[in-house]
Amino acid sequence: KQEVTQIPAALSVPEGENLVLNCSFTDSAIYNLQWFRQDPGKGLTSLLLIQSSQREQTSGRLNASLDKSSGRSTLYIAASQPGDSATYLCAVSFGANSKLTFGKGITLSVRP
Amino acid sequence: NAGVTQTPKFQVLKTGQSMTLQCAQDMNHNSMYWYRQDPGMGLRLIYYSASEGTTDKGEVPNGYNVSRLNKREFSLRLESAAPSQTSVYFCASIRATQSSYNEQFFGPGTRLTVL
Repeated sequence: KQEVTQIPAALSVPEGENLVLNCSFTDSAIYNLQWFRQDPGKGLTSLLLIQSSQREQTSGRLNASLDKSSGRSTLYIAASQPGDSATYLCAVSFGANSKLTFGKGITLSVRP
Repeated sequence: NAGVTQTPKFQVLKTGQSMTLQCAQDMNHNSMYWYRQDPGMGLRLIYYSASEGTTDKGEVPNGYNVSRLNKREFSLRLESAAPSQTSVYFCASIRATQSSYNEQFFGPGTRLTVL
């Protein structure tokens, strides 16, 4: 069974810090990997998608990397802000049917 | 574009009652999905529809049925609700081309409580 793991479950950092959120997966034969943000009581917002042939994607202060051989992805957030406080979920697709297997998420709190 | 919409936003049911959760997307996407999100369990796939006219079971299909009414709409039905079905339900859709750039878009969720 494919598994996606995100550790730690929660993280608290001071404003302005650069930080890295980790995601690991058990099956290296992924189709793509997607990072989402979820605010309390809200739905999921897609942040970045990395195709299996890519090594990284960037959007503003966010950079996501993918290392299939080691079964890892990282989401790098530069110069964190209190508005970045949310839960960040990693999800992996293992085929063209695009079913996603989710990690349990990392709840980030950025302190002013 | 409204994206992915879900109704209702909130619902309280008694054990044994039935209800249908509605989902619609206006992005001309081929594939649609139903997930549930529970504390400590993350998001789990209930059912999905790869294309109009097809549906398949996901990880946790028991107690649910689905209907892909047309390309836009994908409904989830609870025939006899149980307290274990208390959860937040998310619908999602994807264009699903041959490319692996298949970004999945989510609706705002339906918060269901079964008493």
